[in-house]
Amino acid sequence: AQKITQTQPGMFVQEKEAVTLDCTYDTSDPSYGLFWYKQPSSGEMIFLIYQGSYDQQNATEGRYSLNFQKARKSANLVISASQLGDSAMYFCAMREGPGNSGYALNFGKGTSLLVTP
Amino acid sequence: NAGVMQNPRHLVRRRGQEARLRCSPMKGHSHVYWYRQLPEEGLKFMVYLQKENIIDESGMPKERFSAEFPKEGPSILRIQQVVRGDSAAYFCASSPQPGGNTGELFFGEGSRLTVL
Repeated sequence: AQKITQTQPGMFVQEKEAVTLDCTYDTSDPSYGLFWYKQPSSGEMIFLIYQGSYDQQNATEGRYSLNFQKARKSANLVISASQLGDSAMYFCAMREGPGNSGYALNFGKGTSLLVTP
Repeated sequence: NAGVMQNPRHLVRRRGQEARLRCSPMKGHSHVYWYRQLPEEGLKFMVYLQKENIIDESGMPKERFSAEFPKEGPSILRIQQVVRGDSAAYFCASSPQPGGNTGELFFGEGSRLTVL
């Protein structure tokens, strides 16, 4: 069964607008972490933001925020004030178990974001 | 402050040859993970290693693939008798002992294997 589901294969957004990339997850572990990574066309994986399952507040990192809805098991990424350089693939990932467990991340299939002028 | 270093960045092999991919984790990191990314797909976990130990290889094909992380030197992902379906980007990631606060993985830039 898919642990991480990203239902949007591709998204368009106009420059300076906000965009939400969807991610739902499936786990029965009470301790888990959710991550978003960006993969530009050059191929490297860039960490964007992290949300722990016990965190009370939604994570924010600059223009990135994570809309964490635990009951719905969703962890959507919101990018505010989109820039042309935000065009990339975006991957949602989950770690099951506590942070020091060493468990590997499970990745979704990704969403391709294109920011237009 | 070097990040995760992978080499080669690009590798071309003919069917039946061997491919060796190397990964040097970030300084101070003793956990290494290998992932494979097929075209238009997300990253699939292959294997998780600590120094001299394979902790979890549940994502690695049973045949032709092997990985090691020796006491000295980089981690090596080895693919014997490559086939066209092995063409992919192979990413290495590392995390600090004992995994940091979040379990965040720090990725290398990937090694792109093309099998002719």
